[in-house]
Amino acid sequence: GAGVSQSPSNKVTEKGKDVELRCDPISGHTALYWYRQSLGQGLEFLIYFQGNSAPDKSGLPSDRFSAERTGGSVSTLTIQRTQQEDSAVYLCASSFASSTDTQYFGPGTRLTVL
Amino acid sequence: GEDVEQSLFLSVREGDSSVINCTYTDSSSTYLYWYKQEPGAGLQLLTYIFSNMDMKQDQRLTVLLNKKDKHLSLRIADTQTGDSAIYFCAEIGQAGTALIFGKGTTLSVSS
Repeated sequence: GAGVSQSPSNKVTEKGKDVELRCDPISGHTALYWYRQSLGQGLEFLIYFQGNSAPDKSGLPSDRFSAERTGGSVSTLTIQRTQQEDSAVYLCASSFASSTDTQYFGPGTRLTVL
Repeated sequence: GEDVEQSLFLSVREGDSSVINCTYTDSSSTYLYWYKQEPGAGLQLLTYIFSNMDMKQDQRLTVLLNKKDKHLSLRIADTQTGDSAIYFCAEIGQAGTALIFGKGTTLSVSS
């Protein structure tokens, strides 16, 4: 596609439920990133995928967060047993080959945990 | 630790120049970036500068880099109301994977 797409654009869930957020990177981009944007913390890195290498999960805030990338393309970020502090905008980005290539961002998924 | 600092707000009048400043800590950063975020939208790459450059100009945008002081600035000439947005400065962190962002500068342009 022309740009990074994410779905859903908005998600409202109840505390304790699991959620899945989807990211479709730019075609041909091998690197994919998840970030979180919240009022108190600004923009934080969550996880990075590069080709078939093991992902860099160093930014995941707890073991309730996980992500996978199937077939080197689409990625799903899963948050289990959501908490109110998980409320944020989750942004996905992709770049051509590595992290030193420019990262292009999707529109984000706004997650609200009630 | 790694940190990127920006002033939080800037208010200018239409037609004036805007200068948004940023300081960063990682001297090994190869690229430094400016992103723009309009209300309810994702991050749009505005411009970037390679660390061996002092200046980059792109239409109304001028980026200045002072590596000695680890200071980056974005100048917007002839600022328009459509430039009102949040501007983020970012560097590649030491791990070489993630972007480290500043908290963002909210630019307000009045007519």
